[in-house]
Amino acid sequence: ETGVTQTPRHLVMGMTNKKSLKCEQHLGHNAMYWYKQSAKKPLELMFVYNFKEQTENNSVPSRFSPECPNSSHLFLHLHTLQPEDSALYLCASSQDGRGGLVTQYFGPGTRLLVL
Amino acid sequence: DAKTTQPPSMDCAEGRAANLPCNHSTISGNEYVYWYRQIHSQGPQYIIHGLKNNETNEMASLIITEDRKSSTLILPHATLRDTAVYYCIVAYGQNFVFGPGTRLSVLP
Repeated sequence: ETGVTQTPRHLVMGMTNKKSLKCEQHLGHNAMYWYKQSAKKPLELMFVYNFKEQTENNSVPSRFSPECPNSSHLFLHLHTLQPEDSALYLCASSQDGRGGLVTQYFGPGTRLLVL
Repeated sequence: DAKTTQPPSMDCAEGRAANLPCNHSTISGNEYVYWYRQIHSQGPQYIIHGLKNNETNEMASLIITEDRKSSTLILPHATLRDTAVYYCIVAYGQNFVFGPGTRLSVLP
């Protein structure tokens, strides 16, 4: 599926590096999400954006900084990460959350390794 | 914490129906039941959702009990490519809470 794309697909970075993850959705949605999936753990919701405004931050450390310039693009800026931040980072999109039915569509993820 | 309980793993013979159960005894009246699957570290794939009635699409069927406290996802003719982790999620709005899911292995 190509509705939600993520780049890069794989990323290795040192603890002092700064990098960014990119997500783009081609579904005409107006809500976007970042999830983290650590090894052997369920997906964890990190951030939610509705109409470019952040509406949810699930106690994510400040070394993760999201940016949503428009409804089609979402970034996750990374700086001074720790090895325990190594995980699969997933982006999703949906119609906005004003109604109860909010079907989310996921991208393929970025596999991040922090050395 | 997830509002759903699923068996950690299940096996199914290729070509047979796979019936994946999910308990959601604390579901609220307006919460939807969603099913997703994740094939080996890819992004989760949407399968189906329902509120009260049973639902069917090209991928699967969803059976929701009358009291809505449990549901079953049915893959009518499982193939090897259906091997994945299947997640049952109960939610109203955007805050999806994923549990560990059920690892379904389809065996030849």
